Amino acid sequence: DIQMTQSPSSLSASVGDRVTISCRASQSISTYLNWYQQKPGKAPKFLIYGASTLQSGVPSRFSGSGSGTDFTLTISNLQPEDFATYYCQQSYGPPYTFGQGTKLEIK
Amino acid sequence: QVQLVQSGAEVKKPGSSVKVSCKVSGVTFSTNAISWVRQAPGQGLEWMGAIVPIFTKTNHAQSFQGRVTFTADESTSTAYMELNSLTSEDTAVYYCAREFRGGDMEHWGQGTLVTVSS
Repeated sequence: DIQMTQSPSSLSASVGDRVTISCRASQSISTYLNWYQQKPGKAPKFLIYGASTLQSGVPSRFSGSGSGTDFTLTISNLQPEDFATYYCQQSYGPPYTFGQGTKLEIK
Repeated sequence: QVQLVQSGAEVKKPGSSVKVSCKVSGVTFSTNAISWVRQAPGQGLEWMGAIVPIFTKTNHAQSFQGRVTFTADESTSTAYMELNSLTSEDTAVYYCAREFRGGDMEHWGQGTLVTVSS
């Protein structure tokens, strides 16, 4: 199975900040990498697919990059509604594995 | 709009089984895979497997092999996940998610809490 490792596990930031979350795959997955946002008590929300393509309706302050084994999610100009847990997930092939999550908290 | 509506919370005894449903509306049901993902309390997301209804083709994560069954009823646009031989470690919220292409889980159900307790 492909292992996905996110860093950091948690992150404190302020409204208006720019933050970056990293995700590393245990083998090359090309750009088969998705990002999800999850708020407490809610289902995950599909943010980015193919490493860098924003899902419809996702604000442009979210961006994704990377290929192969190393990927990043960047959120510019953080808004109050962005404080949540973020997960990367590889869609290179089943089993589709997730990173352990990064909790973004308000400083 | 696309909706995935799951069945309600369940409380089960160790050793028993649970069957969770996921009714899809607002979008084609048969040709896109439905994945099942679970989340134990305070933990991350774990992919369990998926079914493509039109082919009844399924994939399972190895850790659930032999214990989980995925089915789909095209007449009601409903997918099902049945998990057997429950233990306390199966206490989790179970989500269904519709893929728009392999592994890309675009739309999610609201989740079903399954509690396993004696």
